[in-house]
Amino acid sequence: DSGVTQTPKHLITATGQRVTLRCSPRSGDLSVYWYQQSLDQGLQFLIQYYNGEERAKGNILERFSAQQFPDLHSELNLSSLELGDSALYFCASSVRGMNTEAFFGQGTRLTVV
Amino acid sequence: AQSVTQLGSHVSVSEGALVLLRCNYSSSVPPYLFWYVQYPNQGLQLLLKYTTGATLVKGINGFEAEFKKSETSFHLTKPSAHMSDAAEYFCAVSEDNQAGTALIFGKGTTLSVSS
Repeated sequence: DSGVTQTPKHLITATGQRVTLRCSPRSGDLSVYWYQQSLDQGLQFLIQYYNGEERAKGNILERFSAQQFPDLHSELNLSSLELGDSALYFCASSVRGMNTEAFFGQGTRLTVV
Repeated sequence: AQSVTQLGSHVSVSEGALVLLRCNYSSSVPPYLFWYVQYPNQGLQLLLKYTTGATLVKGINGFEAEFKKSETSFHLTKPSAHMSDAAEYFCAVSEDNQAGTALIFGKGTTLSVSS
């Protein structure tokens, strides 16, 4: 158990809908990262938050947004969902930056039908 | 921009054989380098990392990797494969900068181990 909790584990929704994925980082970790894993794109970095503030942005679509709350949990919001958004979404946390060890959650598998 | 190339999307070895998974990186500054392993239906687990110092890095489960700056490589090895090593392996690079850091992953190498 990495200590990073992601909910839900599975999500099936229809095109055009909006979903929210939740991540609770390890106790004491201030940085939260979101990644998307798909067969064709591999592991893509989406966004990083550090202590409530956005710190780095990767290949995140405008339809996607995220935030980190005062209690350090994070949510990834995906809207106007398309079939191509079906993927495994991982959250990771670390004490500071990624040069310190990052711990990954087990992921949320999103299926858009 | 930093990037990682993993040579070979699939590697097959026999149990007891040497495991060699190749990774080359591109980075404009001294990088931090990582190897992660992903077992089916699980998240990623850190095997080992190189930040500074000794270029030969030992990790968990008998794996090690050598940072070679002249070759921009960080290949992962294990002297003797075990059936439980079958998984997907990801090489990753990060740069520490004021804007924050993030791991950039390679496309992964699936390791199969046969008896």
